[in-house]
Amino acid sequence: NAGVTQTPKFRILKIGQSMTLQCTQDMNHNYMYWYRQDPGMGLKLIYYSVGAGITDKGEVPNGYNVSRSTTEDFPLRLELAAPSQTSVYFCASSPSAGQGNTIYFGEGSWLTVV
Amino acid sequence: TQLLEQSPQFLSIQEGENLTVYCNSSSVFSSLQWYRQEPGEGPVLLVTVVTGGEVKKLKRLTFQFGDARKDSSLHITAAQPGDTGLYLCAGATSNDYKLSFGAGTTVTVRA
Repeated sequence: NAGVTQTPKFRILKIGQSMTLQCTQDMNHNYMYWYRQDPGMGLKLIYYSVGAGITDKGEVPNGYNVSRSTTEDFPLRLELAAPSQTSVYFCASSPSAGQGNTIYFGEGSWLTVV
Repeated sequence: TQLLEQSPQFLSIQEGENLTVYCNSSSVFSSLQWYRQEPGEGPVLLVTVVTGGEVKKLKRLTFQFGDARKDSSLHITAAQPGDTGLYLCAGATSNDYKLSFGAGTTVTVRA
């Protein structure tokens, strides 16, 4: 069972470079999310989407962009990489919202900006 | 500042001992979830609690939601090395899809 799949697993970027973190889910979930996880800080929501064609900002959207052209895919774009974007990124999806909602996470993408 | 404060930040115990992890906030949550995350993987949902005072048990794990729905605890009885991991609490302050996560408690159970 694939679930939520993220690529790449690891990436080193130079300051100012751009890249896209890919995320796809095969569970036909409407809701998708991007989080970043920093040591001692928990997970912070970057962007989320409630369905194809609809995206919105989370807590920490600056320096990132997303698109949701299909139900399955939710790529995260970094346009001008900065050292502050060194983090572990998690894509996630859920079938619905509200109480009892289960969020399924990918395995994470480790990004280092040097 | 974290909306959800978890304590302790680190916990190291011997196999067979009990442990409790706390998740506190000044906000009221409509639901609260506990996740466990192992190194190199994403968080995995353990339980969701939605009613104040609710207690849920998952084998040796007991989860409690505070009466006022502002806090929660996770108690592990007779911990095993397989319980080692990062435990995260996450809450929704309204009936939507945006969870706020605590910083996590790293639990290490020594054999």
